[in-house]
Amino acid sequence: GENVEQHPSTLSVQEGDSAVIKCTYSDSASNYFPWYKQELGKGPQLIIDIRSNVGEKKDQRIAVTLNKTAKHFSLHITETQPEDSAVYFCAASRSNTGKLIFGQGTTLQVKP
Amino acid sequence: DAGVIQSPRHEVTEMGQEVTLRCKPISGHNSLFWYRQTMMRGLELLIYFNNNVPIDDSGMPEDRFSAKMPNASFSTLKIQPSEPRDSAVYFCASSPSTYSNQPQHFGDGTRLSIL
Repeated sequence: GENVEQHPSTLSVQEGDSAVIKCTYSDSASNYFPWYKQELGKGPQLIIDIRSNVGEKKDQRIAVTLNKTAKHFSLHITETQPEDSAVYFCAASRSNTGKLIFGQGTTLQVKP
Repeated sequence: DAGVIQSPRHEVTEMGQEVTLRCKPISGHNSLFWYRQTMMRGLELLIYFNNNVPIDDSGMPEDRFSAKMPNASFSTLKIQPSEPRDSAVYFCASSPSTYSNQPQHFGDGTRLSIL
């Protein structure tokens, strides 16, 4: 069945450094790839998304890249800040179902 | 704008009891999703609705679970009878549309503990 693998499961960086989280997906028909940030006691919040007709998208310190051939997409956070500490989830879906398949999550810790 | 509203935020009950979780989606959103989050299994989609109609309930674990959406502004997820392994955080999300890959917006969840 459809599957999304996410790595690493935990990531610790110093404030100001960059963080990269990687995901691979199995369903070649997937065409929508959102990233969510989940803080303690809260629901996942969408931070950025990308569709399969685009290779890269940026929003201030956050960027996502997509390689459809390799079925691989990544989240890049530059100039990390302590408030970036959270659990990050990648997901994939295809437009004819709308079902999001989530990765296992990455716990990011940004040390001051 | 009000986001997705879930109630209760926390529920503790004894095994065998009926549990009802509630969700109010964002006004104007046509799609509603119920997820379950556990350490072991991560975020799992249980069921989703489009225009109040259940589209896919293949993620519902057992017949003990049922979900309804009587109107565009309200949905319930019911567990009867509840079991300790049902303990998890249950999230509701809504989206402008199931199709065409519209972003899903999540509520803050109901933390359910079955003793």
